[in-house]
Amino acid sequence: DVKVTQSSRYLVKRTGEKVFLECVQDMDHENMFWYRQDPGLGLRLIYFSYDVKMKEKGDIPEGYSVSREKKERFSLILESASTNQTSMYLCASSPGTGRFSGYGYTFGSGTRLTVV
Amino acid sequence: AQSVTQLGSHVSVSEGALVLLRCNYSSSVPPYLFWYVQYPNQGLQLLLKYTTGATLVKGINGFEAEFKKSETSFHLTKPSAHMSDAAEYFCAVSQTGGFKTIFGAGTRLFVKA
Repeated sequence: DVKVTQSSRYLVKRTGEKVFLECVQDMDHENMFWYRQDPGLGLRLIYFSYDVKMKEKGDIPEGYSVSREKKERFSLILESASTNQTSMYLCASSPGTGRFSGYGYTFGSGTRLTVV
Repeated sequence: AQSVTQLGSHVSVSEGALVLLRCNYSSSVPPYLFWYVQYPNQGLQLLLKYTTGATLVKGINGFEAEFKKSETSFHLTKPSAHMSDAAEYFCAVSQTGGFKTIFGAGTRLFVKA
C-alpha cells in the first residue's frame, strides 16, 4: 500500500525553538506539498516541491522553510516557532512531471503541532 | 484566480437519507475538481475526481459528483448515508498548467441514527 509518512503525530514545542517536520513518500512521486489546516480555513499551502532541490512558495510561506535533498523526503522547518504556528500540518505528494495537476494527492496522517 | 466555496460548514442527515454536499468553484480555465474525506485525526483521502470526459464521476464508498460547467458546481452526493460517512469533506480545484490545488474550507457531515 502506497504511503506518505509523517514522522510525528503530535509535537509540543516552545516558542523560539527550531522545529523540523519530516515527510517521506514511497511512491516515487515528483511533487510534494506542505499544508497547514486550521478550523474554518481549510488547507493552506505553505511550500511545494516539484523536483529534488526545487521548491516554490505557497500562499503562506512566512516563518517557514523547506528542504528536499532526496526525492522521497520533504522537510518543513519552522525557523523560530511561534504560538500562531500551532496547527495541523499535512504533507502530500502527487505524481506527474511538468504541470499536470490532475492526479490528486496522497496525504500523510498529519502532525498536530502545539507551540507553547 | 481560482477559488472554492463549500456551502454549509456543517450538514446533518439521518442514517439512510440522501447526502448532498455543495461545492462551487471559480476558475479561468477548465478545472480539475476533487473531493477528499478526512476522518478524525487522519489525513485527507481522495474520494473522487473530475479531469475530463464524463461529467458524472463515481468514487469510493458509494459517493458520486457531477461537474456542471454552467453552474460552476461540483456537488457531492450519496443516496443513503451510513454512520461511517461521518467525517469532514473537502472540495478542491486545480487547473491545467498549475501545480497548486485550492481547497475549500470543508463541510463536516454528521449522521444521526
